[in-house]
Amino acid sequence: AQKITQTQPGMFVQEKEAVTLDCTYDTSDQSYGLFWYKQPSSGEMIFLIYQGSYDEQNATEGRYSLNFQKARKSANLVISASQLGDSAMYFCAMRTSGTYKYIFGTGTRLKVLA
Amino acid sequence: EPEVTQTPSHQVTQMGQEVILRCVPISNHLYFYWYRQILGQKVEFLVSFYNNEISEKSEIFDDQFSVERPDGSNFTLKIRSTKLEDSAMYFCASSVGTGIGETQYFGPGTRLLVL
Repeated sequence: AQKITQTQPGMFVQEKEAVTLDCTYDTSDQSYGLFWYKQPSSGEMIFLIYQGSYDEQNATEGRYSLNFQKARKSANLVISASQLGDSAMYFCAMRTSGTYKYIFGTGTRLKVLA
Repeated sequence: EPEVTQTPSHQVTQMGQEVILRCVPISNHLYFYWYRQILGQKVEFLVSFYNNEISEKSEIFDDQFSVERPDGSNFTLKIRSTKLEDSAMYFCASSVGTGIGETQYFGPGTRLLVL
């Protein structure tokens, strides 16, 4: 069965420091995509970064990078130089071949401290 | 930058009433989706829609739900007879294509409260 697990319900980080949000996934498919979304308190879902299962390089988008370890089935989000505006809920999601849907994890609530 | 829009942002309804949630996907996108998020829980897939047909639906998407693209821009989710447990945030999303790496862009959501 396809599954996304985010084991950190909440995280704190000091402003300007880096933080890693964990995500592990379970699928028997060889072809899949992994996505991270940010959900601020206002509720919208903002796409951050994508990693494909066949991508050899870790994805990066500005201050966001994805630490992809295929053998461990993990796709951790790294936020560098945290800002107060990074305080939000972060969701990891997966899509596998043969389906249109994203499967989401339960999310990690990040609080950036001044 | 183009974005998915949703109306209304909030809706309160009585149990048993019908509600229609509206979405305007990004204009060049061809694939449309509805997800829901019950308060404090994970985001769950409801349905995907392409070429005026449902392409995939979840177990949640039972006979009380329906989707429609009534014109060239709107995409709607109808709940025929709302239940208390339908209270949730409903997100519309759209994507250009349907490849593995195609990003689904989400709207701001409609917060539905069923009393």
